[in-house]
Amino acid sequence: AQRVTQPEKLLSVFKGAPVELKCNYSYSGSPELFWYVQYSRQRLQLLLRHISRESIKGFTADLNKGETSFHLKKPFAQEEDSAMYYCALWGSGYSTLTFGKGTMLLVSP
Amino acid sequence: ETGVTQSPTHLIKTRGQQVTLRCSSQSGHNTVSWYQQALGQGPQFIFQYYREEENGRGNFPPRFSGLQFPNYSSELNVNALELDDSALYLCASRQGTSGRPYNEQFFGPGTRLTVL
Repeated sequence: AQRVTQPEKLLSVFKGAPVELKCNYSYSGSPELFWYVQYSRQRLQLLLRHISRESIKGFTADLNKGETSFHLKKPFAQEEDSAMYYCALWGSGYSTLTFGKGTMLLVSP
Repeated sequence: ETGVTQSPTHLIKTRGQQVTLRCSSQSGHNTVSWYQQALGQGPQFIFQYYREEENGRGNFPPRFSGLQFPNYSSELNVNALELDDSALYLCASRQGTSGRPYNEQFFGPGTRLTVL
């Protein structure tokens, strides 16, 4: 079975502080990992995927297969980053995404 | 190009009733997935339709059923509603097949179902 764990329900930081949202997964094969974001009153949208190896809105995430982690990082948080963040996994044997429970990021001025 | 739309926005039902939720996929997308998002939880996969056939199902009982139409729009039907069915129901569409590669899913705004 595949599983995604986001240990923090809420992460509160000040503007300009570094941010790391944790994500661990359980999957026996080679998964594809994603971060989705939901801003207030907006629909769920893709933030980034590990195979792209890109930085979106200053966020990066590295897949660590040894630690089965895919943590989301940003060196300097902005107030507009405040949102709900979901880590998700796509496994080869499954036709859809498995989501974690999400972490609410609050960035205060 | 229009995005994924869902109707209705909100719905209130009583226990034991039946409900139908609707989803219009994004233009050009042939695959629709439905998710249930309970309060404080991440979206949980219900099932997926590809070219009018169900080709994937999560851990939901048979009273959750669906349809996909030739224009790739979709319905989610829930019979014998229970209090625990109260949740946000999300529809997502993408262009793809049942397996790899993963093509990005685009989510609708959701339907908020309350069961009293």
